[in-house]
Amino acid sequence: NAGVMQNPRHLVRRRGQEARLRCSPMKGHSHVYWYRQLPEEGLKFMVYLQKENIIDESGMPKERFSAEFPKEGPSILRIQQVVRGDSAAYFCASSPIGGGAVQPQHFGDGTRLSIL
Amino acid sequence: SQQGEEDPQALSIQEGENATMNCSYKTSINNLQWYRQNSGRGLVHLILIRSNEREKHSGRLRVTLDTSKKSSSLLITASRAADTASYFCATDDSGANSKLTFGKGITLSVRP
Repeated sequence: NAGVMQNPRHLVRRRGQEARLRCSPMKGHSHVYWYRQLPEEGLKFMVYLQKENIIDESGMPKERFSAEFPKEGPSILRIQQVVRGDSAAYFCASSPIGGGAVQPQHFGDGTRLSIL
Repeated sequence: SQQGEEDPQALSIQEGENATMNCSYKTSINNLQWYRQNSGRGLVHLILIRSNEREKHSGRLRVTLDTSKKSSSLLITASRAADTASYFCATDDSGANSKLTFGKGITLSVRP
């Protein structure tokens, strides 16, 4: 059973370009979370999605950032017109349907975004 | 906003010794979780303790939770060089499979 798959692992963009980060959750998982990690920091929540729905986007900047989790295919985190401050590691996590019990989140290895 | 605050920020011990890491948080929680992160990798879930539990064990790991003090500790017994990693506590406020709020982490180095 493959884990959470993120690609690309490393992404380099110039200021003003767009960055697209992909996340395929574990098989059978319908909840996807995106987090951002700056150097020497913990992870900061960005957005929580279920299939075709954004459940909580309270941690995502209102401008330039968007996320989707379509019925078919991976979840996408999209950053438009990137700036130097967007340089960070972006992690995706997934969890199964709760069924009444809290489920731990399973993390991918992240995408390291560097802005030139 | 930062919920979990771990201490110490860095810990260096000899193989075979025990490592104790602490986490404090600010608001009420449904559960608290500990994760490990190896350099350049994603987080690996270690253990989850619910707000109505006081202690939990998993292999060489022992976690305690004191909701009156809003604090938790992670004990790794008989440490190994392979335990070298960053450790994060994360709180879940709602228990509804929602977001986790992480601390800044503790860097543990285990010397062979």
